[in-house]
Amino acid sequence: AQSVTQLDSHVSVSEGTPVLLRCNYSSSYSPSLFWYVQHPNKGLQLLLKYTSAATLVKGINGFEAEFKKSETSFHLTKPSAHMSDAAEYFCVVSDFLNTGNQFYFGTGTSLTVIP
Amino acid sequence: DVKVTQSSRYLVKRTGEKVFLECVQDMDHENMFWYRQDPGLGLRLIYFSYDVKMKEKGDIPEGYSVSREKKERFSLILESASTNQTSMYLCASSSGGTNAEQYFGPGTRLTVT
Repeated sequence: AQSVTQLDSHVSVSEGTPVLLRCNYSSSYSPSLFWYVQHPNKGLQLLLKYTSAATLVKGINGFEAEFKKSETSFHLTKPSAHMSDAAEYFCVVSDFLNTGNQFYFGTGTSLTVIP
Repeated sequence: DVKVTQSSRYLVKRTGEKVFLECVQDMDHENMFWYRQDPGLGLRLIYFSYDVKMKEKGDIPEGYSVSREKKERFSLILESASTNQTSMYLCASSSGGTNAEQYFGPGTRLTVT
């Protein structure tokens, strides 16, 4: 079975400084990986996804993630944090089964942006 | 754009009541999912469905049932609501293909008193 570990439950950065949210996964083969963002009292929105086409994936709102197979990591980065980036972020790995896709969620990282 | 809608944003029910949460998607997706979200626990899968009338238990199915009579609609049923079912409930859908992502509804915050 797949699993996902988000290494930090809370991250705090100053506005304009880089953001790094860490994610490690376990998988016996090449996975599909996703990052989602959830703003307060909202549903989850897809930020980006990795599907083996390229190891560096660009997403919405200036976010990127790099797939590193040797480290089984898929860390999310952004060069310069904005106040609107304050939210909960989830790393997700999916497993394609005969019955459709199964998704495995990390426990989330809460990002605070300090003005 | 894919749209996933949930019948209520906020719901307050009494212990022992039967509760229906409905989810509708408009993209002809094969797979639909129900999660509950609690602080510190992330999202936990309750049930999912990969086709009409088909369902599979997720990680925490106890106290819940589901119904999928039409492809676009997936209902979560709390047969007898309890206070420990107070939570945020999220519905999602997915096309089911390899590398397919999930699309989420806005969530229903259920309070059981």
